[in-house]
Order: sequence, then C-alpha cells, then structure tokens
Amino acid sequence: GESVGLHLPTLSVQEGDNSIINCAYSNSASDYFIWYKQESGKGPQFIIDIRSNMDKRQGQRVTVLLNKTVKHLSLQIAATQPGDSAVYFCAEKYGGGFKTIFGAGTRLFVKA
Amino acid sequence: GAVVSQHPSWVICKSGTSVKIECRSLDFQATTMFWYRQFPKQSLMLMATSNEGSKATYEQGVEKDKFLINHASLTLSTLTVTSAHPEDSSFYICSAKDPGQGAHYNSPLHFGNGTRLTVT
Repeated sequence: GESVGLHLPTLSVQEGDNSIINCAYSNSASDYFIWYKQESGKGPQFIIDIRSNMDKRQGQRVTVLLNKTVKHLSLQIAATQPGDSAVYFCAEKYGGGFKTIFGAGTRLFVKA
Repeated sequence: GAVVSQHPSWVICKSGTSVKIECRSLDFQATTMFWYRQFPKQSLMLMATSNEGSKATYEQGVEKDKFLINHASLTLSTLTVTSAHPEDSSFYICSAKDPGQGAHYNSPLHFGNGTRLTVT
C-alpha cells in the first residue's frame, strides 16, 4: 500500500499562539490537497482543502498554503486551543482517481 | 450529513481466526469506499478501494486473499481479515466520498472511527 512517513514529529505550542504545521508531499502531479485532524482512537476529520490552482485558502481559524514549486503544504491554526491537540495529516490526490494518499502526520500538543 | 460508521470499534481474536469489519454509510449511498490501515504512531496506509457490485482494487503489497473486501450494497462494505496473525494487529479505518459533491474529483473523504484489531 502507499504511505509516506514513519514516525510522527511533534509540535508543542502555548495556548493562544498560532501553530504552523508543515508537510512535504510526494507527487508533483498531485492536484488536490486536504488536511485532516485525527484525535486518539478516532478516524481522521476533514479540516480544509485546496486545489492546485490556488496557493492559499482560509477557513475558520485555519489557513492552508500551497507551494507547488517545492511541493510543500502548510496548515496554520490561529489562536491555538487545547481542543486542537491531535495528529494532523496532509493528504493528496493525483491521476484523476479518487485515492487519497496520506502524508507522515504531525502531533500537535497545546499547553494550557 | 455524510456519516460513516464502523463496527466493531475494537475486537480481540486468536491467531488463525478470521475477523469481519463492517463499514456503513448512514445517510448517503457510497459506490466507492476505501480501507486504510494504521499502525501506532504512523500514518494511514491505503489498503484497497472497495467498489459496489465489483471486485475491490488492492494496493501493491496488500494480499487480496488475506484481506477480503465485499461491497454488496450502496451502504455497506466489509473487510474480512482471514487467518489473522499478531502482525495483523492494527487500526483499520474505512472512508467514503462525500456524496454531496457528486462525482467531483476534488472532494474530501469522510472517515469512520476505525476498528482496533488485536490478534493474540
């Protein structure tokens, strides 16, 4: 099966600060990207997505930035809250199919 | 809307037995579902694409005779781990595409809450 990454890097931030989670995706042909949040013992939850013809998209407290030149994706969370503590995964689609391939993931710890 | 439900949420079985995991779309019809496996502290790995009314498509390295997938209706896909061994212990997660997006390529998946399989 396809997968990217082994062990999860960790980001620790203070409550109220902004968080930036980075992701290097694998395929230059990827044209749709998604960020998911996964809490312990649960399935991934959709946060925000972006198409390859965009470089920035904003949601509620979240912003996704896409840099296709260096195949880099980032998720910015404003005013991080304890409830934001989770593992965050970037995911990509390519080739016209519906398969979604996940990146390595980052564990976010929010300190109160 | 777009709720995906898995059952059971956890299961413990003895080595050599088979285990069936169900994935249901509760409020929509899903012609395509996806099965993922996740080991501790690792990412989700796509195992197979489940297609209603036809054979599943397996990713490279995933044994189709080991992981049997049946998608007999528009709301149910099942994954059966046959002759399970301790190395099959993992978190199995299913997902389906948001039907509200129709057949649009650029739409996110909705995930079930996973099944924790422990083989002793």
